[in-house]
Amino acid sequence: ETGVTQSPTHLIKTRGQQVTLRCSSQSGHNTVSWYQQALGQGPQFIFQYYREEENGRGNFPPRFSGLQFPNYSSELNVNALELDDSALYLCASSLDVAGELFFGEGSRLTVL
Amino acid sequence: GENVEQHPSTLSVQEGDSAVIKCTYSDSASNYFPWYKQELGKGPQLIIDIRSNVGEKKDQRIAVTLNKTAKHFSLHITETQPEDSAVYFCAAGPGQGAQKLVFGQGTRLTINP
Repeated sequence: ETGVTQSPTHLIKTRGQQVTLRCSSQSGHNTVSWYQQALGQGPQFIFQYYREEENGRGNFPPRFSGLQFPNYSSELNVNALELDDSALYLCASSLDVAGELFFGEGSRLTVL
Repeated sequence: GENVEQHPSTLSVQEGDSAVIKCTYSDSASNYFPWYKQELGKGPQLIIDIRSNVGEKKDQRIAVTLNKTAKHFSLHITETQPEDSAVYFCAAGPGQGAQKLVFGQGTRLTINP
């Protein structure tokens, strides 16, 4: 059984640029949640996707957007990058909207 | 919205001793309280969880207690081992189950041999 995989593992962008992060959910899981983890902090909920629809959003601006595809993989897009967007972005899949979260290893984004 | 406070931020114990990490939450509607272990370079991994209709849950060396009246919950690790060294996070679920989790700030646990 393949776990949650994320790509890329590391990337560096400059302020104002756009970034796309990708996540493949665990087999059989139809729900994906994205979290932002700043250095030395706990993860913060960005949004959740269930069967290709956004199903809940945290306190993040509209320049954070996402997609979920028919195979339940997902993308996180961030436009107009700011220095404070530097963080580890974690994707978690689950069997359903309330199920146990299985996290990937994250994508480390650095904004210069 | 929900706010979760976690203490201590760092904890160092001798191998074989017990470790206790405490969290408080603010939203009385929260009903799901998981604990995660995060090792260096890895994503968080669920180690134990408890729901609001249960006061205590145990899984081998790990136990969690919940006091809904006081809005606090704790993680207890007994007979600590070097592989228990990691960052531990508590979280509270104000939505359904593990939906929209609000995490604490984390506790770096170090087990000294």
